[in-house]
Amino acid sequence: DAKTTQPNSMESNEEEPVHLPCNHSTISGTDYIHWYRQLPSQGPEYVIHGLTSNVNNRMASLAIAEDRKSSTLILHRATLRDAAVYYCILRLQGGSEKLVFGKGTKLTVNP
Amino acid sequence: DSGVTQTPKHLITATGQRVTLRCSPRSGDLSVYWYQQSLDQGLQFLIQYYNGEERAKGNILERFSAQQFPDLHSELNLSSLELGDSALYFCASSVQEKSVLYNYGYTFGSGTRLTVV
Repeated sequence: DAKTTQPNSMESNEEEPVHLPCNHSTISGTDYIHWYRQLPSQGPEYVIHGLTSNVNNRMASLAIAEDRKSSTLILHRATLRDAAVYYCILRLQGGSEKLVFGKGTKLTVNP
Repeated sequence: DSGVTQTPKHLITATGQRVTLRCSPRSGDLSVYWYQQSLDQGLQFLIQYYNGEERAKGNILERFSAQQFPDLHSELNLSSLELGDSALYFCASSVQEKSVLYNYGYTFGSGTRLTVV
């Protein structure tokens, strides 16, 4: 499985945008980039995924670099409820069903 | 509420004992996945069932076993428990057998916290 690298922790203020980076320099052409988050005392929650183009949904936006070696999860206006560990995961289409979680980025949102 | 129900939420048991964790998938989902989350190993995939049959296996110990029943609920059985088995156990579900082909996300439950003393 291709490896991802994320900062251990980040801090943000409430109602400000948050940009969570992920490096995946060994990504292959058929690897999709998925993001999950895990709120305290909860199971992981799917956030968004993409391949090459930037993606938006009601939860977040995903910006993917042109060379695909990095991506950024964007929370447009952070709320206290967004405090969680965010995981960037590569999934090879047609590959293994298992999700390979790294250590993720722990996001703290200050009121 | 994610729609995936796990019981019990907490379980405390002694070393050497056997426990069963239960998972009811989201309505309509046929695949069930089990994950273990410990402080030192993080989230690790254990096993997948699809419509009653085992489909993928991860880092699951021989002392652990799982099954999926005709009503699609799944049970994870942990036996000869050791202190190191203390962890959070999550169940996830997906509608497809091969969610990776369709890039479906998984829906996780809130987990069962197992403490072995």
